[in-house]
Amino acid sequence: KAGVTQTPRYLIKTRGQQVTLSCSPISGHRSVSWYQQTPGQGLQFLFEYFSETQRNKGNFPGRFSGRQFSNSRSEMNVSTLELGDSALYLCASSLPGSHNEQFFGPGTRLTVL
Amino acid sequence: GEDVEQSLFLSVREGDSSVINCTYTDSSSTYLYWYKQEPGAGLQLLTYIFSNMDMKQDQRLTVLLNKKDKHLSLRIADTQTGDSAIYFCAETWMDSSYKLIFGSGTRLLVRP
Repeated sequence: KAGVTQTPRYLIKTRGQQVTLSCSPISGHRSVSWYQQTPGQGLQFLFEYFSETQRNKGNFPGRFSGRQFSNSRSEMNVSTLELGDSALYLCASSLPGSHNEQFFGPGTRLTVL
Repeated sequence: GEDVEQSLFLSVREGDSSVINCTYTDSSSTYLYWYKQEPGAGLQLLTYIFSNMDMKQDQRLTVLLNKKDKHLSLRIADTQTGDSAIYFCAETWMDSSYKLIFGSGTRLLVRP
């Protein structure tokens, strides 16, 4: 079974631009979560989607948004990029009733110049 | 509250055992996890323990949970150079869907 895939793997943007990251979960997984990883703040939860509905949201500004499609693929969008948005963005998928085990993708490394 | 703490660095000699420690503050945690992250990679789930368990063993990995002290540890037996990585403990609660709260990570360096 293929793992969680994320595209693109690397991205360079400038301040003020917007960016969309994509995540394809493991086949059969319906929950997708997003995390931001930075050296200063560590791993922080962004949001979680299940069956196209956002179930949980972390403490991030409204510039961070996401959505999930009927095939469980998910996208996250960051508008009006700031230098501090430079991070590794990780996506994880999970199978309901699986002890909350989350399987992570390799991440998208976003650099904001 | 949500807070998970880990020591930042651990260095061991190849073949020795490694013990990585973690403390958490919320006693309502349901599942506790250990993840491994190698350079340039995502997170790999190593093992997890349910909050009503004291110990779980999985090949070279042993997880100990002390609920009274809110202390979690991961012991890696016969540590190999390939075990060099950052190890994160994480907690989640039944009422918080799949939100994971991570510690800051412990960098394990295995010396030949």
